[in-house]
Amino acid sequence: EAQVTQNPRYLITVTGKKLTVTCSQNMNHEYMSWYRQDPGLGLRQIYYSMNVEVTDKGDVPEGYKVSRKEKRNFPLILESPSPNQTSLYFCASSTRGDTYGYTFGSGTRLTVV
Amino acid sequence: AQSVTQPDIHITVSEGASLELRCNYSYGATPYLFWYVQSPGQGLQLLLKYFSGDTLVQGIKGFEAEFKRSQSSFNLRKPSVHWSDAAEYFCAVGGTGNQFYFGTGTSLTVIP
Repeated sequence: EAQVTQNPRYLITVTGKKLTVTCSQNMNHEYMSWYRQDPGLGLRQIYYSMNVEVTDKGDVPEGYKVSRKEKRNFPLILESPSPNQTSLYFCASSTRGDTYGYTFGSGTRLTVV
Repeated sequence: AQSVTQPDIHITVSEGASLELRCNYSYGATPYLFWYVQSPGQGLQLLLKYFSGDTLVQGIKGFEAEFKRSQSSFNLRKPSVHWSDAAEYFCAVGGTGNQFYFGTGTSLTVIP
């Protein structure tokens, strides 16, 4: 089944403790992206990648890192999480020929206390 | 700068009634426009998209949307809603460099 898989689905952590949210897609998509969803703000793009080793900032990149060493994986790294990063996070992927028809993962609900 | 506005935060319709969700965008060139649906606890599913050509686009689940350049709008419609259509709906516009902008969403409640 074609899908984007995020792990974990739920995560509670403490301020300052580094964490990684994994994202993997099995559709051979070039494009991958991370979003955060907050009430009243919709979805905001954190980082995106147009191919292996090619990444760029979205609208809200502060406090986040990403890497794209393999085509299928696009992990989101929070080096020192803070409470304002408590949010619902989505990973998404897309083909080059259908650039903006993103397929989304099921989401990761992160709580930073 | 690119942006998307969904003026209605929440809409309630009766099952079987027609539906129209509004979306206005701001974009300097020909926009790439999308509607997504998010069911509770789920990720986003693409309903339909507009790149060019026919301004009335058909999507999945019986939805359609019409692109009106003069009004900078891309409203989503469905002739007869079903209880299973209750969800959050997001309009989005494609930007440069693969940036992608979502509206704040419209929550749809369907009453029997």
